[in-house]
Amino acid sequence: DQQVKQNSPSLSVQEGRISILNCDYTNSMFDYFLWYKKYPAEGPTFLISISSIKDKNEDGRFTVFLNKSAKHLSLHIVPSQPGDSAVYFCAASSSSGSARQLTFGSGTQLTVLP
Amino acid sequence: KAGVTQTPRYLIKTRGQQVTLSCSPISGHRSVSWYQQTPGQGLQFLFEYFSETQRNKGNFPGRFSGRQFSNSRSEMNVSTLELGDSALYLCASSLSGASGANVLTFGAGSRLTVL
Repeated sequence: DQQVKQNSPSLSVQEGRISILNCDYTNSMFDYFLWYKKYPAEGPTFLISISSIKDKNEDGRFTVFLNKSAKHLSLHIVPSQPGDSAVYFCAASSSSGSARQLTFGSGTQLTVLP
Repeated sequence: KAGVTQTPRYLIKTRGQQVTLSCSPISGHRSVSWYQQTPGQGLQFLFEYFSETQRNKGNFPGRFSGRQFSNSRSEMNVSTLELGDSALYLCASSLSGASGANVLTFGAGSRLTVL
């Protein structure tokens, strides 16, 4: 049972436009959410995160929105650049209990067309 | 500050063999986690070590094991390799594990191919 889901395996957008990547989760114990970006032949790199006490976090061109009631989060990239082309993973963690692991979605391949 | 270093980067094994992968965390990081990435499956949690102790284990068979040394370096071992073990194995380090704002820093991974 996938606790974190990214239902869109791929997304293509034009350079300069907005990219919106979506993620859904089922586990109510998750209280911290992160986005990682991965280029081929490299490990995932941390992009941006949000705590469950917030509904929005912004860092430059990247904004993450969290809708706790819908158990949904999204990553907005504005404006999109060709260098943003990568696989984006949504991940979640819980501060309760002893588990110290990230639960990842299956990823979305973003392609930004010049 | 050096990042997370994984060796080897690429390796090819045959079914039935065993393999050992190595991970050197960022200096000062005491938590090391391992993840398996396969196409379409995202990253699946294998286990997490902190101060030489396994704190968490994912849903993988006992053929997958690991350990952590006193200098925080970690190894993972897969015995009796199966074709389905072909994957990218990623190591990540952090100060104290994935919780709250404690971000994991990943290495570039070890690409294992089982023939």
